[in-house]
Amino acid sequence: DTAVSQTPKYLVTQMGNDKSIKCEQNLGHDTMYWYKQDSKKFLKIMFSYNNKELIINETVPNRFSPKSPDKAHLNLHINSLELGDSAVYFCASSQVGGESETQYFGPGTRLLVL
Amino acid sequence: GEDVEQSLFLSVREGDSSVINCTYTDSSSTYLYWYKQEPGAGLQLLTYIFSNMDMKQDQRLTVLLNKKDKHLSLRIADTQTGDSAIYFCAAGYQKVTFGTGTKLQVIP
Repeated sequence: DTAVSQTPKYLVTQMGNDKSIKCEQNLGHDTMYWYKQDSKKFLKIMFSYNNKELIINETVPNRFSPKSPDKAHLNLHINSLELGDSAVYFCASSQVGGESETQYFGPGTRLLVL
Repeated sequence: GEDVEQSLFLSVREGDSSVINCTYTDSSSTYLYWYKQEPGAGLQLLTYIFSNMDMKQDQRLTVLLNKKDKHLSLRIADTQTGDSAIYFCAAGYQKVTFGTGTKLQVIP
């Protein structure tokens, strides 16, 4: 069974469109994250939710809106997509207070904005 | 905030040892991690070390932590072609900061 899954795996869209990426974890973790990895492989945290509450919100344009319907899901909605949004978006989860608080990553969603 | 630095590239011959280095700035980081990313895949935890440890060994992997210098290293013994990947150092507690990644190239 996949521990952290993301859909879609690939997303190609036009500038100005609105799109969503979904993430689900079946590890029973209480914390989920969204990261952005650019073309140089730099990985930056965008958001983190703990038990459906936003706890980390880095400097991200407000076109990006995360939503956590329950602690097993964290979705990312992006409005008015721009060329610079092209990247790989990774979802991750961890258990606060768990062993090493290790983050487990999903396979990534490759977003290309044309 | 935390700043984590790594060299960008390392090339080694198959069978040799690889040493990937990392420096961090926040001395209060509770855990320090090494992740591996293969092409087209997500990040996979390789190992981690708690901040009160100096060394951790796990099969071919040895992690050394120098808290005074805020320096972390990952040694891979008998490096294989399957070890070719990007290796990320990460530090922190809850909010984890990732390094820039070191691309390891293993030459057959």
